[in-house]
Amino acid sequence: GEDVEQSLFLSVREGDSSVINCTYTDSSSTYLYWYKQEPGAGLQLLTYIFSNMDMKQDQRLTVLLNKKDKHLSLRIADTQTGDSAIYFCAETTRNNDMRFGAGTRLTVKP
Amino acid sequence: DAMVIQNPRYQVTQFGKPVTLSCSQTLNHNVMYWYQQKSSQAPKLLFHYYDKDFNNEADTPDNFQSRRPNTSFCFLDIRSPGLGDAAMYLCATNSGEATNEQFFGPGTRLTVL
Repeated sequence: GEDVEQSLFLSVREGDSSVINCTYTDSSSTYLYWYKQEPGAGLQLLTYIFSNMDMKQDQRLTVLLNKKDKHLSLRIADTQTGDSAIYFCAETTRNNDMRFGAGTRLTVKP
Repeated sequence: DAMVIQNPRYQVTQFGKPVTLSCSQTLNHNVMYWYQQKSSQAPKLLFHYYDKDFNNEADTPDNFQSRRPNTSFCFLDIRSPGLGDAAMYLCATNSGEATNEQFFGPGTRLTVL
């Protein structure tokens, strides 16, 4: 299909790891992205991965890319209450625009 | 700090009454975008400008128009808002670099009464 797919909700306890999954559509996407949206705010780029990589680590964030299955994941280690937000997966399209998933609402419980 | 600014943050209009949302950027980016985001949905691209070149998405209703008088400013005009146009409207910019990163403003939440 044409949609970037994500689960809508994820709930974890503070200190646990969070894993947010995404299935994208365009195998020719050069970059894949994770954006974070806090309440009342715009989207903020968290991290991105180039399509010729299969893993990228940035402090508490680990991005895994499986190009064969068009699957992208974001792992947040030691999740904190400040990580509560909506996380959007995005791919670049053939027009060089960006196609977003519907977002995963992460709730971190103390 | 270089940024993307949207005004107002909250806009209330009446059914059928024209409304304009504004976006400005201090990043000096060539590309500016307008997205519509409804609750629990992906941001939906309405149109974008590459410099002065206007690119309309095929499924963007005619009710939505845009103007970009200069590099810094871009406006979204909704000529006759309907109840279904109530949403968050996000403005974003792109420098055109290889990573294709988009920088977003905080959004304007539009309510249609």
